[in-house]
Amino acid sequence: KAGVTQTPRYLIKTRGQQVTLSCSPISGHRSVSWYQQTPGQGLQFLFEYFSETQRNKGNFPGRFSGRQFSNSRSEMNVSTLELGDSALYLCASSRDRGSEAFFGQGTRLTVV
Amino acid sequence: GQNIDQPTEMTATEGAIVQINCTYQTSGFNGLFWYQQHAGEAPTFLSYNVLDGLEEKGRFSSFLSRSKGYSYLLLKELQMKDSASYLCAKGNRDDKIIFGKGTRLHILP
Repeated sequence: KAGVTQTPRYLIKTRGQQVTLSCSPISGHRSVSWYQQTPGQGLQFLFEYFSETQRNKGNFPGRFSGRQFSNSRSEMNVSTLELGDSALYLCASSRDRGSEAFFGQGTRLTVV
Repeated sequence: GQNIDQPTEMTATEGAIVQINCTYQTSGFNGLFWYQQHAGEAPTFLSYNVLDGLEEKGRFSSFLSRSKGYSYLLLKELQMKDSASYLCAKGNRDDKIIFGKGTRLHILP
């Protein structure tokens, strides 16, 4: 059974650009959550999608957005990138909301 | 609030036992997760507690006291490969899972 797949693994962008990250959950998992991980702040919750609807949102500015498709694949978008957005972005899928989460390897975003 | 507190770093010796504590705000509580994360890798699930008491799974055990907002992860017979960060995460009734900043565990030979 394939795990959670995130693409790309690494990305370098310049300030002001926008970026789209992709996450394919484990087959049969309907809930996808996104987290930002930085050395100082740890894992911070961005948002959760279930059945193509955003169910929960963390305390991030509106520049951070996402969506989920009918096949449960999810994308997150960050517009007008800032240096502080440099981080590891992790996607986690769960069979049901609030259940054990399985993480992808993450996308390491560097903003220069 | 969602404050989840756990020590930033701990050091233990190979073969020994270590206990990593986690405290959380009890409002909206709906389960407590522990994850392990090796450097440069994704977090992996270790345990889930929703009722009070100790859950044992091989060398790892996790304890929960809901009234005290307290959990711990107990690692026995420590091995060098146990050097990692251990993340405590609180599940909320709105199905959001909030992570602590993690405890970096160093194992000495």
